[in-house]
Amino acid sequence: GNSVTQMEGPVTLSEEAFLTINCTYTATGYPSLFWYVQYPGEGLQLLLKATKADDKGSNKGFEATYRKETTSFHLEKGSVQVSDSAVYFCASLWDQGAQKLVFGQGTRLTINP
Amino acid sequence: DTGVSQDPRHKITKRGQNVTFRCDPISEHNRLYWYRQTLGQGPEFLTYFQNEAQLEKSRLLSDRFSAERPKGSFSTLEIQRTEQGDSAMYLCASSFDAGGTGELFFGEGSRLTVL
Repeated sequence: GNSVTQMEGPVTLSEEAFLTINCTYTATGYPSLFWYVQYPGEGLQLLLKATKADDKGSNKGFEATYRKETTSFHLEKGSVQVSDSAVYFCASLWDQGAQKLVFGQGTRLTINP
Repeated sequence: DTGVSQDPRHKITKRGQNVTFRCDPISEHNRLYWYRQTLGQGPEFLTYFQNEAQLEKSRLLSDRFSAERPKGSFSTLEIQRTEQGDSAMYLCASSFDAGGTGELFFGEGSRLTVL
């Protein structure tokens, strides 16, 4: 079936470090891909998305590029801040009618000052 | 605050009891979703509504689970004869059906603990 796999956490970095969180999806068709973020005490919210191969989604300094050849959508940020501490979820959307998202297991990120 | 709200935020119950969760979506959103999230996992789709019609249910939603959305506004998720395996965070999300953008707006969730 359709699935999404993320790198396991937790991830702990120092402020201003470079961040990569890996995400891959099963290659049955060409889904839309998303990163959702959950800050402490809040609901999940959309961070960025890409709808077709080679698209780059970006928001708040985060970027992810839809790579069809490697079925990947890795999240990157050049210089993380303490406020980026959160749980990050990669997700895919195959069924555009129902908009049923398939989520990865989440990666907890902690940024130390 | 005009976001998605869920109630209660935390429910502790004994095995065999019934529980009900409520979700109030963003008012102009016509779609409403229920997801379940267990510890260390991502959310899993349970069911969704377009207006008052329940259009799809996951195989995860056993006969003990029932969801309603009367009048196409708020929704309830009831779990009958709870089991310890039902312990999870139940997430509600809403969206406006506009071409499958994939942007869902989530509530903070209702955490269920079954003793």
